[in-house]
Amino acid sequence: DQQVKQNSPSLSVQEGRISILNCDYTNSMFDYFLWYKKYPAEGPTFLISISSIKDKNEDGRFTVFLNKSAKHLSLHIVPSQPGDSAVYFCAAAGSGNTGKLIFGQGTTLQVKP
Amino acid sequence: NAGVMQNPRHLVRRRGQEARLRCSPVKGHSHVYWYRQLPEEGLKFMVYLQKENIIDESGMPKERFSAEFPKEGPSILRIQQVVRGDSAAYFCASSPRGLIYNEQFFGPGTRLTVL
Repeated sequence: DQQVKQNSPSLSVQEGRISILNCDYTNSMFDYFLWYKKYPAEGPTFLISISSIKDKNEDGRFTVFLNKSAKHLSLHIVPSQPGDSAVYFCAAAGSGNTGKLIFGQGTTLQVKP
Repeated sequence: NAGVMQNPRHLVRRRGQEARLRCSPVKGHSHVYWYRQLPEEGLKFMVYLQKENIIDESGMPKERFSAEFPKEGPSILRIQQVVRGDSAAYFCASSPRGLIYNEQFFGPGTRLTVL
């Protein structure tokens, strides 16, 4: 039962262009969403988050959009840089009383110079 | 995520042996989460512990797996009688408080290989 889905396993963009990573979820009880970035042989690093009471959150080059009616969120990276090349995971929280996160499968982003 | 330590970083076990994975949280953090990442998959929640207490173990396999977070010392994830399907990367995360999701800091992971 995959409650959080990232349907694109990989994405390749040119340096300077926009990267858009997508994530869908099925559980309407989720009330908080996060994006993590992961390099090989390292743990995930928190990138940006959004509460379900908002539809947009911005932090520098990173913006997360939330469409609750569609149960969809996306991460925009503008402009993309080669150092952004990594695996990106979306995660959802709030379906229980604990802080556990439900992760998507990840999308590998490659930013070409 | 500086401060979350996991050891060993790589662990090789033969089928039937025991695996012990250690996680030292960020100093002052009393909440620890364990996640498992199977090849080509995302991280899956296993267990959430506070000092000396298991709060949520809904993601733990029913048999062979156990976790603890003693008053002193690191959190331990223990896998008894390992099988090849246990081969995965195991990540722990710590946070100073519960239910503050963006304060979970992840360690570098332990990569378990079962021969």
